[in-house]
Amino acid sequence: AQKVTQAQTEISVVEKEDVTLDCVYETRDTTYYLFWYKQPPSGELVFLIRRNSFDEQNEISGRYSWNFQKSTSSFNFTITASQVVDSAVYFCALRDFASGGGADGLTFGKGTHLIIQP
Amino acid sequence: DTGVSQDPRHKITKRGQNVTFRCDPISEHNRLYWYRQTLGQGPEFLTYFQNEAQLEKSRLLSDRFSAERPKGSFSTLEIQRTEQGDSAMYLCASSLNRATNEKLFFGSGTQLSVL
Repeated sequence: AQKVTQAQTEISVVEKEDVTLDCVYETRDTTYYLFWYKQPPSGELVFLIRRNSFDEQNEISGRYSWNFQKSTSSFNFTITASQVVDSAVYFCALRDFASGGGADGLTFGKGTHLIIQP
Repeated sequence: DTGVSQDPRHKITKRGQNVTFRCDPISEHNRLYWYRQTLGQGPEFLTYFQNEAQLEKSRLLSDRFSAERPKGSFSTLEIQRTEQGDSAMYLCASSLNRATNEKLFFGSGTQLSVL
């Protein structure tokens, strides 16, 4: 069965520091998709990035960057020069097809609560 | 694009009562998902619809849970004979059906408290 592990329950840093959120996944499938979502205090999950298993290129979007490494089954997320508005819970999620195919929902990790202190 | 709308935002009920939540997806989205999220956990998939067809419901937590999407637009999630363990945030999400890696758009959820 698929599984997503976010070992960091909570991270607290001071504004402008860089911070990396870890995500390790397990799947039997060779085709799968990885996602990161942000959940601010309002509760609505916001999509950040999607990556398929055949594309191991790292991606940068502004202050955000993602490091996908199939060899270690990791899909880590780095925020550079963090800001108070980055404070939220961040979820890594996996969708594969080995668990039953079709359009099953995403499997989420437990999330990392990121606190950016001014 | 008004986003995914859920109603109510909060629901407090007594154990044993039935509750129903509503979700209005983004208008052109034909896939609709229900998730449950408990404190300190990630969202847990419950069920999903493609248009009015419920294509996956084996993940519903018990036979007290049911969902409908009668006209392929809004959806309702009903919990019968609520238990304290049902207390959670119930999230709805929708997506276009253009690719298997489509991103989900989530609503703000309905927070259920069972006393």
